[in-house]
Amino acid sequence: SQQGEEDPQALSIQEGENATMNCSYKTSINNLQWYRQNSGRGLVHLILIRSNEREKHSGRLRVTLDTSKKSSSLLITASRAADTASYFCATDGETSGSRLTFGEGTQLTVNP
Amino acid sequence: KAGVTQTPRYLIKTRGQQVTLSCSPISGHRSVSWYQQTPGQGLQFLFEYFSETQRNKGNFPGRFSGRQFSNSRSEMNVSTLELGDSALYLCASSLAGFDSPLHFGNGTRLTVT
Repeated sequence: SQQGEEDPQALSIQEGENATMNCSYKTSINNLQWYRQNSGRGLVHLILIRSNEREKHSGRLRVTLDTSKKSSSLLITASRAADTASYFCATDGETSGSRLTFGEGTQLTVNP
Repeated sequence: KAGVTQTPRYLIKTRGQQVTLSCSPISGHRSVSWYQQTPGQGLQFLFEYFSETQRNKGNFPGRFSGRQFSNSRSEMNVSTLELGDSALYLCASSLAGFDSPLHFGNGTRLTVT
């Protein structure tokens, strides 16, 4: 099974609202990353947070990490229609020999 | 810098055939990873190459293979195609470190009929 699991699976909001997506994982990690994917395209790296960090900001993005609960959240503030995409968390936990294991993603729809 | 380039963009093959997908990484990136993306299974790791050596491998049958050339370009091959191999195949390159972000290409959409 996937190392990361996102919640919710789908989220629909209005432009200007904030969007929060959550990710849970199972094993110890060195870092956790968030990626975005527009339909039919490749993934784009958004932000990386290391296991010894609790919060990180990048523009309108805010990521938190709680290693005791093995969970992370991605907050997008003041959302725009262009933020419509799938968002994935990825961890470098030692499962299946993979360097990064991706969650199932949250489909975010921002309505104009 | 040019991004990761994957060719071809679309492929249609029939069961039993084989296919080769190509990936050109970002200049200076020596690590290339391959992922399979399907609606049912999500993103599944296939393998990772670094300096022409396979560094990691996911849980895929031996029909899936890959290689990396001295210029870091990579190819993956799928033999004896099955209907379930229909997917978006994504290649990603990165610098050497394990905390380096992955830079993805736009993928090859493979349809097996």
